[in-house]
Amino acid sequence: DTEVTQTPKHLVMGMTNKKSLKCEQHMGHRAMYWYKQKAKKPPELMFVYSYEKLSINESVPSRFSPECPNSSLLNLHLHALQPEDSALYLCASRGVAEKTGELFFGEGSRLTVL
Amino acid sequence: DAKTTQPTSMDCAEGRAANLPCNHSTISGNEYVYWYRQIHSQGPQYIIHGLKNNETNEMASLIITEDRKSSTLILPHATLRDTAVYYCIVRAPPWAGGTSYGKLTFGQGTILTVHP
Repeated sequence: DTEVTQTPKHLVMGMTNKKSLKCEQHMGHRAMYWYKQKAKKPPELMFVYSYEKLSINESVPSRFSPECPNSSLLNLHLHALQPEDSALYLCASRGVAEKTGELFFGEGSRLTVL
Repeated sequence: DAKTTQPTSMDCAEGRAANLPCNHSTISGNEYVYWYRQIHSQGPQYIIHGLKNNETNEMASLIITEDRKSSTLILPHATLRDTAVYYCIVRAPPWAGGTSYGKLTFGQGTILTVHP
């Protein structure tokens, strides 16, 4: 199984809503990532978890709250978002011990904030 | 991580080789060159990586100049399904440690369009 599964694929939320994005992998990878991608732009790194601990936070606003409850699961909790937060949110994972350093990406969750 | 420069867009005829250049003149000794691509509405996909030797796998070949300041990704027989944005990324390997441990930073990439 070389898949990273993201749910939901599409999400529409209001600015006062609380929602979560979910990412799951069963490759035994111990590094997991959240990226944000606006239309026609490259993905931008948001967070990196290594061994279930947050190792990189790219100065992301606190309305985005990541959580890594176990080695297979990564969540991104969303609260009080702005319309400009509408984007494709990509999750990725990497095997820490693997020589290539290759990241495996999911298909993304497309978020629309009204 | 070192900065990379890629052409904004390129065209290629189906069945021909696609040669995508990348400049990385500030690359340092322990940094690898990685290539990813992103087909429309999908997540990025790893293609290949290398340090200083040329590399080949089932998807592509990577040619790195002797001074390591530039590289070329070669898709030997491009198909319509190779139409995508191709990202050249220079980074230290994850096992190098340091504050950028694990980071993968995307530049603007090259939009490759393969024509019938």
